Amino acid sequence: DAGVIQSPRHEVTEMGQEVTLRCKPISGHNSLFWYRQTMMRGLELLIYFNNNVPIDDSGMPEDRFSAKMPNASFSTLKIQPSEPRDSAVYFCASSSSGTGETQYFGPGTRLLVL
Amino acid sequence: GESVGLHLPTLSVQEGDNSIINCAYSNSASDYFIWYKQESGKGPQFIIDIRSNMDKRQGQRVTVLLNKTVKHLSLQIAATQPGDSAVYFCAEKGGGAGKSTFGDGTTLTVKP
Repeated sequence: DAGVIQSPRHEVTEMGQEVTLRCKPISGHNSLFWYRQTMMRGLELLIYFNNNVPIDDSGMPEDRFSAKMPNASFSTLKIQPSEPRDSAVYFCASSSSGTGETQYFGPGTRLLVL
Repeated sequence: GESVGLHLPTLSVQEGDNSIINCAYSNSASDYFIWYKQESGKGPQFIIDIRSNMDKRQGQRVTVLLNKTVKHLSLQIAATQPGDSAVYFCAEKGGGAGKSTFGDGTTLTVKP
């Protein structure tokens, strides 16, 4: 199994630009999580989906952030417009009832907003 | 609100020694706990888990201890190796919640 796949691995953009991060969960997993990690705030859960439905988006910072999961094998996290304070590593993770509550993390997308 | 936090932000040990990483949690409804290891440039990786009906669980070179009375969790690594150098996170899940709450992380450095 290839594990959770994220793209791009690195993204450098200018303030005000739209950023789209992509995630492909492990096949068969029915839960998907988006996290943001910074030195200041640590690992923060932004949103999670169960069976493609958003369950809890209370961690989404503000309206500039949006996430979608159009099908079981793909999710996007979009930031529009981006700001320098959005610079962080964004992780996607997936899990399934078959694996219990263990989450399998992707390699992350390192975002730098100038 | 409920939170999970680590006692020490950094831990330095000599290669071959045993390491103990601690974690406190505050949600008494938590019924599942997980330790993750995050190496530089990578995502967190599952190490070991334990349910609230257990006090101890052992894996390969790792042991997790759970003390529900004082809401404390620890990760013991035997014969620590340089490859164990990483940030270790505890996470808790409970009350039927679909998400886990992560602690701040402890950085383990293994000196050769």
